[in-house]
Amino acid sequence: SQQGEEDPQALSIQEGENATMNCSYKTSINNLQWYRQNSGRGLVHLILIRSNEREKHSGRLRVTLDTSKKSSSLLITASRAADTASYFCATDAAGNTPLVFGKGTRLSVIA
Amino acid sequence: NAGVTQTPKFQVLKTGQSMTLQCAQDMNHEYMSWYRQDPGMGLRLIHYSVGAGITDQGEVPNGYNVSRSTTEDFPLRLLSAAPSQTSVYFCASRTTTGKLFFGSGTQLSVL
Repeated sequence: SQQGEEDPQALSIQEGENATMNCSYKTSINNLQWYRQNSGRGLVHLILIRSNEREKHSGRLRVTLDTSKKSSSLLITASRAADTASYFCATDAAGNTPLVFGKGTRLSVIA
Repeated sequence: NAGVTQTPKFQVLKTGQSMTLQCAQDMNHEYMSWYRQDPGMGLRLIHYSVGAGITDQGEVPNGYNVSRSTTEDFPLRLLSAAPSQTSVYFCASRTTTGKLFFGSGTQLSVL
């Protein structure tokens, strides 16, 4: 069963706007990761945030983690048409435990 | 570095046929895994391996078999294909920090 659940399932915005996607999970985690998938392609790693971190930045990406609420958010600032993709959160418990993925958010950025 | 290489990219099988999906990585990662992706279901873990000679089941292992005789290769075998196994299959390897690298996927149709 899915550990993470992304919200919303689908999001459509204009180019230049910010996009925010949320992820909720059920059990304690070691770290939380976000991945992007362009249509028909493999997933690409975006960012990893550890359970003892609250916020992380990478370029136009900002990830927050609230372990008390078991939730994370991914913010993409100044979105571009090329950001159109599905975004997945994934969590693992510790060490070599498998990464469990949510169902994803489909983001459409309209030029 | 080729990363994670999956073959074939497309495959059509008849019910009852068997086949092997190949996966190879050249990053010397100990951890490898197989996921299947179905519409609206996100990625579900089939099998994973934490090193040569060690494999374990994921969320949806039935009908699939794996082995890990080398660090580089992690083939997935469909023993007797069923229409329910129509899906897109992704192989991934993982760094020691937890980041996954995905192959480009195999689109499988079982008629």
